[in-house]
Amino acid sequence: IQMTQSPSTLAASVGDRVTITCRASENINRWLAWYQQKPGKPPNLLIYKASNLESAVPSRFNGSGSGTEFTLTISRLQPEDFATYFCQHYKTSPYTFGQGTKLEIK
Amino acid sequence: EVQLVESGGGLVRPGGSLRLSCAASGFTFSSFSMNWVRQAPGKGPEWVSSISGGSAFISYADSVKGRFTVTRDNAKNSLYLQMDSLKAEDTAIYFCARDRPGGYPVFSDWGQGALVTVSS
Repeated sequence: IQMTQSPSTLAASVGDRVTITCRASENINRWLAWYQQKPGKPPNLLIYKASNLESAVPSRFNGSGSGTEFTLTISRLQPEDFATYFCQHYKTSPYTFGQGTKLEIK
Repeated sequence: EVQLVESGGGLVRPGGSLRLSCAASGFTFSSFSMNWVRQAPGKGPEWVSSISGGSAFISYADSVKGRFTVTRDNAKNSLYLQMDSLKAEDTAIYFCARDRPGGYPVFSDWGQGALVTVSS
């Protein structure tokens, strides 16, 4: 199963609302996770099962979708949100990741 | 607090071998499936291998199948990755990662990673 994210890069300002899209090459139901990664750090789980917020993750992060199309929305961007975001399916192995979306400061 | 600490990375020549270790603490190690995930410089993560709590279920990415072997020692709270016949394209940071409670391969806890460089 291939995972394709768009856009690859996104420029935004503090306070903006942004949306990142992840498309699966086949139906993965809701077996999708989102991660945030900052330079030199491992990925950090944000959302699992498409829309469930991991504990301690701020409520400005929202995941939605099912089947083959999913979105991660961040409302009211904060300075610490500028990072790279990856989706990952876990329907069956191999558990593939998207290529990433780098969220930059405009 | 969950802690995962990888060790064993380094520089190895193509065709060589390396064994990574991951020391776990802060949770009941035997109750969780564990995983290896790697990330090449400037690339997205790539799942490498998973092993269930009792080692009954093991899976590998096609890119490493037949060359890498994942094991665990629950008495020592440790996870291992034996990497043989290494190739240049295996160069990456290797993370050990724990499944999120619930039993699905969603990676809620990660180590800081071990750098493996395959080069002549």
